[in-house]
Amino acid sequence: EAQVTQNPRYLITVTGKKLTVTCSQNMNHEYMSWYRQDPGLGLRQIYYSMNVEVTDKGDVPEGYKVSRKEKRNFPLILESPSPNQTSLYFCASSSNGGLTYNEQFFGPGTRLTVL
Amino acid sequence: AQTVTQSQPEMSVQEAETVTLSCTYDTSESDYYLFWYKQPPSRQMILVIRQEAYKQQNATENRFSVNFQKAAKSFSLKISDSQLGDAAMYFCASMEYGNKLVFGAGTILRVKS
Repeated sequence: EAQVTQNPRYLITVTGKKLTVTCSQNMNHEYMSWYRQDPGLGLRQIYYSMNVEVTDKGDVPEGYKVSRKEKRNFPLILESPSPNQTSLYFCASSSNGGLTYNEQFFGPGTRLTVL
Repeated sequence: AQTVTQSQPEMSVQEAETVTLSCTYDTSESDYYLFWYKQPPSRQMILVIRQEAYKQQNATENRFSVNFQKAAKSFSLKISDSQLGDAAMYFCASMEYGNKLVFGAGTILRVKS
């Protein structure tokens, strides 16, 4: 089954304790992206990757890191989480679009609470 | 930069009735895509309908249709014969060159039986 998986699905942590949210896709997609969802703001892009070893900032990258060492995986790293990073996080993947449309497949979401 | 605005934080509809969710957007591109996503309580993001900007014909998917007004930069979603399972958060989104989606703030749709 074609899917995007995220782990963990729920996480409660404390300020300053490094954490990683994993994202994996089995569709051989080049493009992967992280979004955060906050009430009244919708989803906003944090980072994206066009292919292995190619990553770039989205609209809200502060406080986050990513890596893309393998095509299927795109982990989101919070080196020193703060309460304002409490949010719902989504990973998404698609083939590289360019000027053509390629549907984005979303993971199930990760609910993160930073105390 | 792309922007997407949903001015209705919450809407209600009676079961079997029709409801329209509003969305406006801004872009400097001539080629782009517009989407409506549904997010039920499970939080899964589900693509409801897609519109390509260069196509004048409004997209339809069963009970879901859009009213795409390119000059006005308006992209509303009409849900006909509303069902209890339509209750969810609905997000309007746009995509220009590449794969970046820009979302609106969302509209919570409540369906009354």
